[in-house]
Amino acid sequence: GENVEQHPSTLSVQEGDSAVIKCTYSDSASNYFPWYKQELGKRPQLIIDIRSNVGEKKDQRIAVTLNKTAKHFSLHITETQPEDSAVYFCAATHTGTASKLTFGTGTRLQVTL
Amino acid sequence: EPEVTQTPSHQVTQMGQEVILRCVPISNHLYFYWYRQILGQKVEFLVSFYNNEISEKSEIFDDQFSVERPDGSNFTLKIRSTKLEDSAMYFCASSEYRVKGNTIYFGEGSWLTVV
Repeated sequence: GENVEQHPSTLSVQEGDSAVIKCTYSDSASNYFPWYKQELGKRPQLIIDIRSNVGEKKDQRIAVTLNKTAKHFSLHITETQPEDSAVYFCAATHTGTASKLTFGTGTRLQVTL
Repeated sequence: EPEVTQTPSHQVTQMGQEVILRCVPISNHLYFYWYRQILGQKVEFLVSFYNNEISEKSEIFDDQFSVERPDGSNFTLKIRSTKLEDSAMYFCASSEYRVKGNTIYFGEGSWLTVV
């Protein structure tokens, strides 16, 4: 089955700096890669996703890149703000054969003033 | 914006007891899921449900667990004979399609504490 590795486990950046979180996946058939933000005690919330037919997607301060050959994808947050502090999870799935998401282990992002 | 709703938000139960966690998926969604998150760990898939039957389940989802859609709106997770290690946040989720879109929306979670 799919296995998703995520790095780093914790990340501390100063407000205004950029943050990058990286994930690798094992199943070359996976074709959908969402990113979720989870604040303490709250539900995971989808912040951005990418499908295997594109290499990059951007939404305001967040962007995701996908390298299918290397089987890795990354989340980029620019101009970080204190409210970006949360745990971020990457996930992967194959939309044609499965609907379950396989999650990475999470990255705790701390944005300091 | 439509949301997945879950009850209870928090339940404490004694080891060996049965618990039922309830969920109301988003109304036009066809796929329903349960995930679990042990404190400080990643979110883990338990089961997916479509057309009134289980479509996929993980190795975690053994005979202790069952799911049901008792009516047109509710989706339940039953845990029989609870164990200490069942203590976790249980998230219900739903999606409109499996192939198209596949955006999965999570509920706020039900925090289960087994004592």
